[in-house]
Formats: sequence, C-alpha cells, structure tokens
Amino acid sequence: AQSVTQLGSHVSVSEGALVLLRCNYSSSVPPYLFWYVQYPNQGLQLLLKYTTGATLVKGINGFEAEFKKSETSFHLTKPSAHMSDAAEYFCAVSEASGTYKYIFGTGTRLKVLA
Amino acid sequence: DAGITQSPRHKVTETGTPVTLRCHQTENHRYMYWYRQDPGHGLRLIHYSYGVKDTDKGEVSDGYSVSRSKTEDFLLTLESATSSQTSVYFCAISGWGPNTEAFFGQGTRLTVV
Repeated sequence: AQSVTQLGSHVSVSEGALVLLRCNYSSSVPPYLFWYVQYPNQGLQLLLKYTTGATLVKGINGFEAEFKKSETSFHLTKPSAHMSDAAEYFCAVSEASGTYKYIFGTGTRLKVLA
Repeated sequence: DAGITQSPRHKVTETGTPVTLRCHQTENHRYMYWYRQDPGHGLRLIHYSYGVKDTDKGEVSDGYSVSRSKTEDFLLTLESATSSQTSVYFCAISGWGPNTEAFFGQGTRLTVV
C-alpha cells in the first residue's frame, strides 16, 4: 500500500528564511505526488503536483518541490518565507489504480516569525 | 474554484442521533471522497465513490455509510453519532486518472455532545 510520511508536525522559520517541509513516500509503482496547503478554517488548496517528466516542480506562491526517486522524497521548498505562508501543509500520494484514492500525510504546520 | 458545496458547514448533535452530511458538485467529476481531519492524523479517507451507486470503504469507515444516487451528490451518514466522530469532514472530487488533483470543499465541523 502507498503511504506518505511528513517529518515534523510543526516548523518555524523567520520571515525571509528558507522554507523546507519534508515528505517521504512509499510506493511500489511510480507515484503521483501532491502538496496541498490549508489556511485556517478553509479547505485544502493544491500547491503543486508531480506526475511524470521534470523532477523539479514549480507551484503557486513561489513554492517548488523536487521528486527524488532514489531518496523516495518530495520535499517542499520556498526560498524566502512570507508571513502569509503560515498555514498547514499536506503531502499526498495518489494510488495508481482504478480507484485513484489520495493518501495524505499527517501535515506540517508552518509558523513564520517576524 | 471547483464547484463543491458541503452542507451544513457546522453542526452540533447529540450522541446516538443520526446525522447526514451532503456534498454537492457541479463539475461532473466521476470520483468523490469523504475525509475526516483530526489533529495529529491529517486527513483520513472514510468512503469514496467511483461512479453513481459505486462506493467503497476507506481506512476509517466504521460507523459511517454513504450513498451516491446522482453524479453530483455524495451523502455521508453517521447512523448513530458518537463523540469519537467529532471532527472536521471534507468532501473532495477528482476527474479520471491518478495524475489529476483532488479539489476540496470548505469542510463541515461536526460536534457530537
């Protein structure tokens, strides 16, 4: 079965510092990977996704993620944090089967310090 | 924004009562999902549907049932609500193919007292 693990349930960074949120996946087949963001009292919004092709994926709001098959990782980064980036971030993998279920990690809450 | 509407948005109910949450989509997507979100657990899949009248269980399906009689509506029913079912419930939809992303509703906050 596919799964994702997010290291660090809470991450704090200073405004302007690098953001790095970690995600490792487990999959026996080429995975389809996603990062979502959730702002308070809202639903989840897609940041970016990896399907096939380029391993460096660019998303919205200046975020990007790199798919590393050898490390089974799909870490999310942003060069310079903004206060508005404070939110909860979820990594997800899609099952490459007929039902296409999405399996989510437990989430990482990002705090941005002024 | 994808056309997904969840109702109600907030509900307080008593232990032992039945509760039905509704998810309505205007995107004509084939796949629909119900997740629950709890601190420390992320989002966990309750049930999903891959077509009208085609549903299956997710990882936390005990105590829940679903129905999908029309493409646009996916209902989640708690037959007899318990305090452990206090949670935020999200509906999601997606098109065909594992490389398509899921779109989420705004959530329903359910409190069982």
